[in-house]
Amino acid sequence: EAGVTQSPRYAVLQEGQAVSFWCDPISGHDTLYWYQQPRDQGPQLLVYFRDEAVIDNSQLPSDRFSAVRPKGTNSTLKIQSAKQGDTATYLCASSFFRTGEDTQYFGPGTRLLVL
Amino acid sequence: AQKVTQTQTSISVMEKTTVTMDCVYETQDSSYFLFWYKQTASGEIVFLIRQDSYKKENATVGHYSLNFQKPKSSIGLIITATQIEDSAVYFCAMREGDGNEKITFGAGTKLTIKP
Repeated sequence: EAGVTQSPRYAVLQEGQAVSFWCDPISGHDTLYWYQQPRDQGPQLLVYFRDEAVIDNSQLPSDRFSAVRPKGTNSTLKIQSAKQGDTATYLCASSFFRTGEDTQYFGPGTRLLVL
Repeated sequence: AQKVTQTQTSISVMEKTTVTMDCVYETQDSSYFLFWYKQTASGEIVFLIRQDSYKKENATVGHYSLNFQKPKSSIGLIITATQIEDSAVYFCAMREGDGNEKITFGAGTKLTIKP
């Protein structure tokens, strides 16, 4: 069974530039999560979806960040105008919540550096 | 609000010994779920083991086991017969209650196994 895949693996931007991250969850998983992990910290939840619906985006900086999962499978996280403070690893995870198997499985992450 | 605290920033032990990593948590819920994840040098986050709050028996998976002390709100991870490849950052995490998929992570403990 293929794991969670993410692309790109690395991104380097100047402040003000836009970037998109893509995530393909484990096949059949209904729930998808996006986390931000600053250096030397634990992952912090940004947003998560059940199928195509946003369940919680309260930690997503809505003025510059957006996330979609239009068909309930793949998802895209976008930063419109990046700031140096956005430098972090962006992690995608998925789980099959409806079965009661709620363990989250993580992708390899995208390391973002904003100069 | 839930909170997870890992006070050990880093630990270094000799190969083939046993190591314990500490974690304390705060929650108002009577039902909650505790997890340990491992993050390798490549950035990959791997699920290791979980403890559901209603279970009295400590979870064990391979050479990982948990020391769940509910009255102390403590969930320690024990790794026996450590190997070089166990070197990684270990995160403790918690999810509260039923129907809540939000996981809160601790800051992590960096484990180094010396040959």
